[in-house]
Amino acid sequence: GDSVTQMEGPVTLSEEAFLTINCTYTATGYPSLFWYVQYPGEGLQLLLKATKADDKGSNKGFEATYRKETTSFHLEKGSVQVSDSAVYFCALSDNTGGFKTIFGAGTRLFVKA
Amino acid sequence: DAGVIQSPRHEVTEMGQEVTLRCKPISGHNSLFWYRQTMMRGLELLIYFNNNVPIDDSGMPEDRFSAKMPNASFSTLKIQPSEPRDSAVYFCASSSQVSKGNQPQHFGDGTRLSIL
Repeated sequence: GDSVTQMEGPVTLSEEAFLTINCTYTATGYPSLFWYVQYPGEGLQLLLKATKADDKGSNKGFEATYRKETTSFHLEKGSVQVSDSAVYFCALSDNTGGFKTIFGAGTRLFVKA
Repeated sequence: DAGVIQSPRHEVTEMGQEVTLRCKPISGHNSLFWYRQTMMRGLELLIYFNNNVPIDDSGMPEDRFSAKMPNASFSTLKIQPSEPRDSAVYFCASSSQVSKGNQPQHFGDGTRLSIL
């Protein structure tokens, strides 16, 4: 079945460092891909998405490109801030008529001042 | 715009008691999802509905768990009887799905459940 694998955390960075969180997926067909972020005490919220190969999703300085050839959707940010400390989830959704979203295990990010 | 509304935000009760969690999805959304999140098991999908009909309840852990969606604006997740291992944060999410799965889910802030 479909699955999402993302790098284990926690990831600890200093402010203004470059961030990469790796995400790879397994799916039949052509899924839509998402990154969600969860701040303490809150639910997940959509960070960005891409619906077809080579699409780049971007939001709040974060970017991820849908790479079909490597089945990847890595999250990047050029300069992280303390306020980016959160848990990040990679996810995919089947585009063949299903309604489920498959989430990765989440990667916790700590950013130090 | 109002987001997904869950109640209560926190629930502490003794084992054996019935627990009812409530969710109001975003108006116009036709899919609703119930998740459970724990440190050990991460985020687990329990059940989801489309147009008020349960589509997949394979994630419901036991017969003690049940979920209903009597109308498009309300859903409940019930645990009876509750056990300490049910302690977790329970999230409700909704989305607007037509024929393709490219719409994101919108999550509520969750109910933190503690069973003593």
